[in-house]
Amino acid sequence: KQEVTQIPAALSVPEGENLVLNCSFTDSAIYNLQWFRQDPGKGLTSLLLIQSSQREQTSGRLNASLDKSSGRSTLYIAASQPGDSATYLCAVRWDTDKLIFGTGTRLQVFP
Amino acid sequence: NAGVTQTPKFRVLKTGQSMTLLCAQDMNHEYMYWYRQDPGMGLRLIHYSVGEGTTAKGEVPDGYNVSRLKKQNFLLGLESAAPSQTSVYFCASSSSGVKQFFGPGTRLTVL
Repeated sequence: KQEVTQIPAALSVPEGENLVLNCSFTDSAIYNLQWFRQDPGKGLTSLLLIQSSQREQTSGRLNASLDKSSGRSTLYIAASQPGDSATYLCAVRWDTDKLIFGTGTRLQVFP
Repeated sequence: NAGVTQTPKFRVLKTGQSMTLLCAQDMNHEYMYWYRQDPGMGLRLIHYSVGEGTTAKGEVPDGYNVSRLKKQNFLLGLESAAPSQTSVYFCASSSSGVKQFFGPGTRLTVL
């Protein structure tokens, strides 16, 4: 069965820390992988999309890497800020139509 | 552009009642999706559509029906609501099935 797992479920860090969120998936034959941000009571915002042929994508202070052979992706957040507090979701596409989501990591960055 | 909008934002139903959730997008996207989000479960795909007049089942389709009569609209129907359908429902759309744009969600409670 194709599954996506995110550990830890929650993370609390002081402002300024660099941090890594982890995503693992069961089948390495992926089409692409996306990282989303979800604020409380809101919808999802796409942060980064990595195609299966890519190793990483960067946007500002965010960097996402992909290692298909080990079934893992990481989201690196540099110099974290309180405004980064949100739930971060990883989603994997194994065919062209559907995304399978992880359960997310709830991040709190305190001043 | 409004992006993806959902109506209503909140709804409370009694068991056995029916209702329809409306999703609208103004980005001329071909693909549209309905997800539900439950605590500890992540987002799960209910139904999706790859174009006007088409629909397909996702991961958890039972108890729901959908229609895509117009390209910009995707309707999710509950014919006989059950407490197990208490959830937050998200609609999403994409142009190529790759990057999805999400609506703000509908919080449904079934008593």
